[in-house]
Amino acid sequence: GENVEQHPSTLSVQEGDSAVIKCTYSDSASNYFPWYKQELGKGPQLIIDIRSNVGEKKDQRIAVTLNKTAKHFSLHITETQPEDSAVYFCAATKVLTYSGAGSYQLTFGKGTKLSVIP
Amino acid sequence: DSGVTQTPKHLITATGQRVTLRCSPRSGDLSVYWYQQSLDQGLQFLIQYYNGEERAKGNILERFSAQQFPDLHSELNLSSLELGDSALYFCASSVGVEGTEAFFGQGTRLTVV
Repeated sequence: GENVEQHPSTLSVQEGDSAVIKCTYSDSASNYFPWYKQELGKGPQLIIDIRSNVGEKKDQRIAVTLNKTAKHFSLHITETQPEDSAVYFCAATKVLTYSGAGSYQLTFGKGTKLSVIP
Repeated sequence: DSGVTQTPKHLITATGQRVTLRCSPRSGDLSVYWYQQSLDQGLQFLIQYYNGEERAKGNILERFSAQQFPDLHSELNLSSLELGDSALYFCASSVGVEGTEAFFGQGTRLTVV
């Protein structure tokens, strides 16, 4: 099955610096790659996603890049702020066939705990 | 607020018991997904329903079952509970079956004692 590796597991940056989190996936059939932010006591929140027909996507201070050949994708956060402190998860989808139907399931990385130091 | 509602927020129960977790998806979403989050296993996909029908199964134990009702809310039933079932259980929903743009609820923290 799909396997998603995420690095680093913890990351500390100074406020205002950039943070980069990297993920690799194993299944070349995966074609959708979301990133989630999970704050303490809350559910994962979708912050950005990218599809396999796109190499890069930006949304204000957040960007995601995808290298299909190398099967890796990265989250870039610029000008980090203390409120960016959270656990970030990458995920990838692949098509599953069950009883003749098609569906996708998200396979998550283990998460990166980002701490932004004021 | 993601628009996905899960109840209860916390649940403490004894081994061997059965519990039911409830999820109301965002308005307009037809797919509901259940995930288990534990410290050692991370977020694990359990099962997906789309418009009342089961669409995909992940690492769901035979002691666990789920269903989606005509009003699209879903319930996850956990029976013969063991200590190792203690975890956060999340429900997510999306418009389509593809799993894209899935929004998560706040989760139910299950503690089995």
